[in-house]
Amino acid sequence: DADVTQTPRNRITKTGKRIMLECSQTKGHDRMYWYRQDPGLGLRLIYYSFDVKDINKGEISDGYSVSRQAQAKFSLSLESAIPNQTALYFCATSDSRGHNEQFFGPGTRLTVL
Amino acid sequence: AQSVTQLGSHVSVSEGALVLLRCNYSSSVPPYLFWYVQYPNQGLQLLLKYTSAATLVKGINGFEAEFKKSETSFHLTKPSAHMSDAAEYFCAVYTGANSKLTFGKGITLSVRP
Repeated sequence: DADVTQTPRNRITKTGKRIMLECSQTKGHDRMYWYRQDPGLGLRLIYYSFDVKDINKGEISDGYSVSRQAQAKFSLSLESAIPNQTALYFCATSDSRGHNEQFFGPGTRLTVL
Repeated sequence: AQSVTQLGSHVSVSEGALVLLRCNYSSSVPPYLFWYVQYPNQGLQLLLKYTSAATLVKGINGFEAEFKKSETSFHLTKPSAHMSDAAEYFCAVYTGANSKLTFGKGITLSVRP
């Protein structure tokens, strides 16, 4: 079984809809991250959480919110989706006791029409 | 602030040829450096990492990278390309200063038969 899982893997939605992307991990890591990937722009950090009570904005947090429901679960919400949020979204985890080597989920491809 | 530069967006080599993917970083403190690979429709997988031990780092699938502080570089190499190496490659830098991983924009490697 995969260590970092993301659901759904693909989602098509309409402008204005609320969308939640979920991430679960079995690695026992304390840190979790949400990134979006756009062609030619690499990965950009949306939000990150160093533990259940510590959530921080990344470089592109506008239009997004997150919830760390447990150490193993970190969800990303788009309150009112817009077309320029069409992207590939990745969840990642790391262990604060390590060198911040991050482990990635398989990604969620989101299309906002 | 830290940053990563990966020049160019696409590299094409012949099967059996040398692979060289360049990465330069900027950091005010000693960094940890990573190379990740992303195969089509998959998440990112760690290829190798530099964490202040040996400057020549060997990774999976025959890849290696050399940390050169004087050149602020961490170029990725493989002596002989294989068709299965076709993927997108990301260089990333981490410092304890902000506890975040900063990615380059990525470079796509194509391998010609």
